[in-house]
Amino acid sequence: EVQLVESGGGLVQPGRSLRLSCAASGFTFDDYAMHWVRQAPGKGLEWVSGISWNSGSIGYADSVKGRFTISRDNAKNSLYLQMNSLRAEDTALYYCAKSPTSIYSGSYQFDYWGQGTLVTVSS
Amino acid sequence: NFMLTQPHSVSESPGKTVTISCTRSSGSIASNYVQWYQQRPGSSPTTVIYEDNQRPSGVPDRFSGSIDSSSNSASLTISGLKTEDEADYYCQSYDSSNQRNWVFGGGTKLTVL
Repeated sequence: EVQLVESGGGLVQPGRSLRLSCAASGFTFDDYAMHWVRQAPGKGLEWVSGISWNSGSIGYADSVKGRFTISRDNAKNSLYLQMNSLRAEDTALYYCAKSPTSIYSGSYQFDYWGQGTLVTVSS
Repeated sequence: NFMLTQPHSVSESPGKTVTISCTRSSGSIASNYVQWYQQRPGSSPTTVIYEDNQRPSGVPDRFSGSIDSSSNSASLTISGLKTEDEADYYCQSYDSSNQRNWVFGGGTKLTVL
């Protein structure tokens, strides 16, 4: 059974940093691209960032470019999101989502999602 | 960049059929696959339609997807509505331009009353 378990969320002041983690199990992690998708309270879904199976291709939404860094450790079956210079508008539930393919780019679904970890940016 | 526009809400009675639209603002709707996700309150999204009209295993055939190039839109149709279908539904596609982003519609709240 595919499982994605996010952690690392919490309350943080504007301008500070936070690192999210996603522990994957139930599938061969290094066979698939992975993504982060967020959802602000009461709002819709927003793609944040994605990474190919070997970290060779990476992308970011314009709203986080230059502030967030995605990475993965295939030996640890883990995905990460380093979030710097956090803003109030980054407050959201952050989901880890699996791609059905190894490549970063492509017109595909996110076939498995974690339960999310809540990030609240407030003073 | 393009946007995907969905109605904010729709409602229908149990047993009836409802269609949720998703209109692409620029570029052809047919140029990249459209996916549809269901999100029940307090839960993570799950796929109900992928690649325009494909149903994942376990999704009942009451759910169907289509695209219409004349209106540049995709549609999710749910027939034989059940109260358990009440949820938020999101369309999603891929921007294959220089941006290489994944784009979500704003979501549609389906009420089955």
